[in-house]
Amino acid sequence: GDSVTQMEGPVTLSEEAFLTINCTYTATGYPSLFWYVQYPGEGLQLLLKATKADDKGSNKGFEATYRKETTSFHLEKGSVQVSDSAVYFCALSEGRGWGTSYGKLTFGQGTILTVHP
Amino acid sequence: GAGVSQSPSNKVTEKGKDVELRCDPISGHTALYWYRQSLGQGLEFLIYFQGNSAPDKSGLPSDRFSAERTGGSVSTLTIQRTQQEDSAVYLCASSLGTFNEKLFFGSGTQLSVL
Repeated sequence: GDSVTQMEGPVTLSEEAFLTINCTYTATGYPSLFWYVQYPGEGLQLLLKATKADDKGSNKGFEATYRKETTSFHLEKGSVQVSDSAVYFCALSEGRGWGTSYGKLTFGQGTILTVHP
Repeated sequence: GAGVSQSPSNKVTEKGKDVELRCDPISGHTALYWYRQSLGQGLEFLIYFQGNSAPDKSGLPSDRFSAERTGGSVSTLTIQRTQQEDSAVYLCASSLGTFNEKLFFGSGTQLSVL
């Protein structure tokens, strides 16, 4: 079955440091890939997505590129801020063709990021 | 409503009791999902509803778990004869439809089984 593996956390960085959170997946067909974020005291929300191979998702300075050859979707940000402290979840959903999605998401275990001033 | 609403936000119950968790999705969203988030674990899919289609129950961990969605809107997740391992945050999400992958999550119900 489908699965998502994230790098283990927690990750602690100083403000303005470079961030990478690794994510690899196992899936058949044409998965769409996502990063969701959960800020303290808030619900999960979509951060970015990519729906086909080589697509790059980006939002709020975060980026991730859909790499089919390495089955990866690593999250990066060049300069983190204290306000980026949150739990980050990588996820996938199966689709029957590129750009489609069945909606049902398979999540990784989450990575806790703490950014210090 | 403005967002996905879940109630109660916290529920403490004794082992063996039944509990009901409620989810009120965003108006107009036809798809509704239940996930479970256990301490140190990722999000575990439980069940999802899409319009009038039969629900996908493939993630329900045992027959003690059931869910219904009345009138295509509000959903109730029921756990019978609760066990301590059922303690988790139960998250509900909704989306516009099966092929629209952006899910909007509620804040969850923290269930503690003593």
